[in-house]
Amino acid sequence: ETGVTQSPTHLIKTRGQQVTLRCSSQSGHNTVSWYQQALGQGPQFIFQYYREEENGRGNFPPRFSGLQFPNYSSELNVNALELDDSALYLCASSLVPGNPGNTIYFGEGSWLTVV
Amino acid sequence: AQRVTQPEKLLSVFKGAPVELKCNYSYSGSPELFWYVQYSRQRLQLLLRHISRESIKGFTADLNKGETSFHLKKPFAQEEDSAMYYCALKGGSNYKLTFGKGTLLTVNP
Repeated sequence: ETGVTQSPTHLIKTRGQQVTLRCSSQSGHNTVSWYQQALGQGPQFIFQYYREEENGRGNFPPRFSGLQFPNYSSELNVNALELDDSALYLCASSLVPGNPGNTIYFGEGSWLTVV
Repeated sequence: AQRVTQPEKLLSVFKGAPVELKCNYSYSGSPELFWYVQYSRQRLQLLLRHISRESIKGFTADLNKGETSFHLKKPFAQEEDSAMYYCALKGGSNYKLTFGKGTLLTVNP
């Protein structure tokens, strides 16, 4: 068991709505990354948070935003949902970003369906 | 730009046969390469990384910088190896993993 937990596991939203996904990182991990995995694709990097600040961002529009809290847990918020946002959203935690020795641990993901 | 290519979407072998899952990458600097595995109904988990040069569950992978490849190999496949395999790259001090699209390995009895 890796210790990264995500909620909710499944949810259905309507186009135009907003969604918040939550992640608790593995104990002691101060870095959280979010990935989007569409059906049949590999995970795609959305952004990373380190010490409560965004540390890097992938090619996603500003309606994808996030937060990291002092306990290192994190939220992913998506506004104005589109049908193409339907995907598995993965949270991953690790120690200091960029360290070659770090192992990145993934949660089980939140399945989002936009109708 | 970072890119990872896994040319085979599906790979099917018989138990006891050798297996090789191909991965090619594109990156201008010195990359870190990883193989992640996802068994049915389980989370994505690290299988091995090139800097460790280790063998996990009988799998090995060698980074070939000349061919920009990091193929995953196992001499004798087992049924429990059936899973989705993703090759991933992290470039230098870059913070993100870039994944390939994955190869679904099926080991038949």
